[in-house]
Amino acid sequence: AQTVTQSQPEMSVQEAETVTLSCTYDTSENNYYLFWYKQPPSRQMILVIRQEAYKQQNATENRFSVNFQKAAKSFSLKISDSQLGDTAMYFCAFMILNYGGATNKLIFGTGTLLAVQP
Amino acid sequence: SAVISQKPSRDICQRGTSLTIQCQVDSQVTMMFWYRQQPGQSLTLIATANQGSEATYESGFVIDKFPISRPNLTFSTLTVSNMSPEDSSIYLCSVEVEVHPEAFFGQGTRLTVV
Repeated sequence: AQTVTQSQPEMSVQEAETVTLSCTYDTSENNYYLFWYKQPPSRQMILVIRQEAYKQQNATENRFSVNFQKAAKSFSLKISDSQLGDTAMYFCAFMILNYGGATNKLIFGTGTLLAVQP
Repeated sequence: SAVISQKPSRDICQRGTSLTIQCQVDSQVTMMFWYRQQPGQSLTLIATANQGSEATYESGFVIDKFPISRPNLTFSTLTVSNMSPEDSSIYLCSVEVEVHPEAFFGQGTRLTVV
């Protein structure tokens, strides 16, 4: 079975500090993508960062970076210089790449609610 | 990228009735997805809708309860039929951009069944 586990239901961080959100996943596939999505109170799901499993280099997007450990099946998100606007639910997800027309569906973790405190 | 417009944004419905949710995309896409997010929970895929064929439903979801239409490459509807309070959830439409595997989401429909 393919699963995503986020062991931190809630986290809190002071503004301007750094926080790391944990994610582990389980799959026997080799070709997949990993994602972190953010869902603020507006409900809009927003892509934060994406990592291709075949790339060893960790993805970085401005203040957001990941620590991708393929052998350990771990994919944590680090948010640097936290801002009040980072307050949201964060979902880890992965997508198995099915070539030949099959569905590339996303499998989500249960989410981590991050609160950035002023 | 893709911009998705989902309507209605919220609704309160009586049990036993049905609600149809619309999803409009600003570009042609092959696959559209419908997710359910129950209160305080993660997203669960209901079904995948491809244009010109019947939707493919995930385990635990059936066509009679969640009929889906996909008349063209930019539009889809999800109907929640014979609603009960357990159907109270956020329903999200999503599309995949295949060049860079990535899912884009509508803003969701918050459904409350009373």
